[in-house]
Amino acid sequence: NAGVMQNPRHLVRRRGQEARLRCSPMKGHSHVYWYRQLPEEGLKFMVYLQKENIIDESGMPKERFSAEFPKEGPSILRIQQVVRGDSAAYFCASSRDVGSPLHFGNGTRLTVT
Amino acid sequence: AQKITQTQPGMFVQEKEAVTLDCTYDTSDQSYGLFWYKQPSSGEMIFLIYQGSYDEQNATEGRYSLNFQKARKSANLVISASQLGDSAMYFCAMSALNTGNQFYFGTGTSLTVIP
Repeated sequence: NAGVMQNPRHLVRRRGQEARLRCSPMKGHSHVYWYRQLPEEGLKFMVYLQKENIIDESGMPKERFSAEFPKEGPSILRIQQVVRGDSAAYFCASSRDVGSPLHFGNGTRLTVT
Repeated sequence: AQKITQTQPGMFVQEKEAVTLDCTYDTSDQSYGLFWYKQPSSGEMIFLIYQGSYDEQNATEGRYSLNFQKARKSANLVISASQLGDSAMYFCAMSALNTGNQFYFGTGTSLTVIP
């Protein structure tokens, strides 16, 4: 059973470019979460999605950030016009049911130069 | 509002000894789940153990056990017979059904196992 797959593992972008982070949940999982982690800090919730629906985006900045989880294909976290402060590790997690444990991908480390 | 508190930023334990990592939570929901995750220096997040709010027995998974005290709202992780590979960050998390399955994480405890 493949786990949660995130790619790319590392992503370097210049200020002003767009970053697209991909996440394929575990097989059979329909709940996807995105978290952000700064160095030496915990995980900050960004967004929770189910297939084709955003359930909770209360942790996501109102501007430049968007997320989707289409019927077919991976979940995408998109950051437009990146700034240095966007540099962080972005983790995707999935779960089978409401309240089930989250299973995490290995993260995407975004560096904005 | 939900809140997870981990008051120990760093802990040290001698190899083969047991260690307890503290976690307290705050919720008004009756139905919730408590989780512990391990994050080694390589960065991945590894699920360790789960406790449901209605579970009467403390959860155990190998060398990991969860000391669940519902009245005190604490969910401490106990690692028995510590190994060098246990050195990592440990995060406590909570999910409450009535708040849309939102997962809240603590700030983590860094555990170092000393040979």
